[in-house]
Amino acid sequence: NAGVTQTPKFQVLKTGQSMTLQCAQDMNHNSMYWYRQDPGMGLRLIYYSASEGTTDKGEVPNGYNVSRLNKREFSLRLESAAPSQTSVYFCASSEANPSRGGGYEQYFGPGTRLTVT
Amino acid sequence: SQQGEEDPQALSIQEGENATMNCSYKTSINNLQWYRQNSGRGLVHLILIRSNEREKHSGRLRVTLDTSKKSSSLLITASRAADTASYFCATDAGSGGGADGLTFGKGTHLIIQP
Repeated sequence: NAGVTQTPKFQVLKTGQSMTLQCAQDMNHNSMYWYRQDPGMGLRLIYYSASEGTTDKGEVPNGYNVSRLNKREFSLRLESAAPSQTSVYFCASSEANPSRGGGYEQYFGPGTRLTVT
Repeated sequence: SQQGEEDPQALSIQEGENATMNCSYKTSINNLQWYRQNSGRGLVHLILIRSNEREKHSGRLRVTLDTSKKSSSLLITASRAADTASYFCATDAGSGGGADGLTFGKGTHLIIQP
């Protein structure tokens, strides 16, 4: 099993350009997440998808859109990149399900390092 | 906003010593989790403790939770060079069974000196 995979690993964008970060998991997990990590900070939740076909905003959603393409894939799109979006982006997945009690760990991908100039 | 705050921000100890790091949080939680991040890599889950548990062990890891003080501690015993990493606490405080994400602290950077 590959677990959670992310592409690309590195990306440099100019201000105003757009791009899509791809994420896929092969663990048949219900829930998927996008986080960003800035230097010296913990992770902050951008968007999450509790099940196929649903997406919801997290703590810092402005400037981003997401698509839960199917149960395996969850993409993050920057429509018009800004320097403030320079960060490392992590995708994660979990067995967590709103209809069940909690207590599930998250599995993380290796991250995408994005620089916006 | 960050739910958890780790203390200390950085910790340097000799190999073989025990490392203790603390996490405080602000709201009621369903569970608290600890993750490790090696430099430039993704996070790896270490241990989860539910709100009705007070202590949990996994190998060389011991986690405590005090919900009255809204705090948790992670103890790594007999540290090794490979334990050098950043450690994050993360809380599940939502109503979505964890499907609505975790809130992470800023982390403790642990350095094990050989």
